[in-house]
Amino acid sequence: EAQVTQNPRYLITVTGKKLTVTCSQNMNHEYMSWYRQDPGLGLRQIYYSMNVEVTDKGDVPEGYKVSRKEKRNFPLILESPSPNQTSLYFCASSPMNRDRNTEAFFGQGTRLTVV
Amino acid sequence: DAKTTQPPSMDCAEGRAANLPCNHSTISGNEYVYWYRQIHSQGPQYIIHGLKNNETNEMASLIITEDRKSSTLILPHATLRDTAVYYCIVRANHITQGGSEKLVFGKGTKLTVNP
Repeated sequence: EAQVTQNPRYLITVTGKKLTVTCSQNMNHEYMSWYRQDPGLGLRQIYYSMNVEVTDKGDVPEGYKVSRKEKRNFPLILESPSPNQTSLYFCASSPMNRDRNTEAFFGQGTRLTVV
Repeated sequence: DAKTTQPPSMDCAEGRAANLPCNHSTISGNEYVYWYRQIHSQGPQYIIHGLKNNETNEMASLIITEDRKSSTLILPHATLRDTAVYYCIVRANHITQGGSEKLVFGKGTKLTVNP
């Protein structure tokens, strides 16, 4: 089954304790990205990657890092989490298709609380 | 990307057609209309997309006006499981957009399907 898998689904952590949210897709997609969703602000893109070893900042990258060492994985790293990073996070993937537009597949989300 | 305008909420009776409107009066010639939905904080789910012709798939139909300034997503026989926030997104082909593939989610329409 084609899917994007995020782990963990729920996480409560303390300020300053480094954490990683994993994202894996099984569709051989080139493009992967991370979004955060906050009430009243909608979904905002954090980082994206167009292929292995190619990453770039989205709209709200501050406080986050990513890596793309393998095509299927795109972890989101919070080196020193702060309470304002409490949010619902989504990973997404899609193919980079030159001929037509295609759909994005989203993970089920990670609800992060930083206390 | 062109901005979209959607009603904040709509109600629909179970079994009836749900017609969700979207205005995108500043859409340009190379921009597609996409629809996604999000069921109760799950990951957004792709529904359908189109450029200028009407489109239909197993989930829904998309009607785009001739001037392309507005569109309507039709769920032909709404069920309780269709209760969700529906997002209309206008986006250019990723090549012309410089490859970011970013989806810009607005506030969407909260559709409630009633028994």
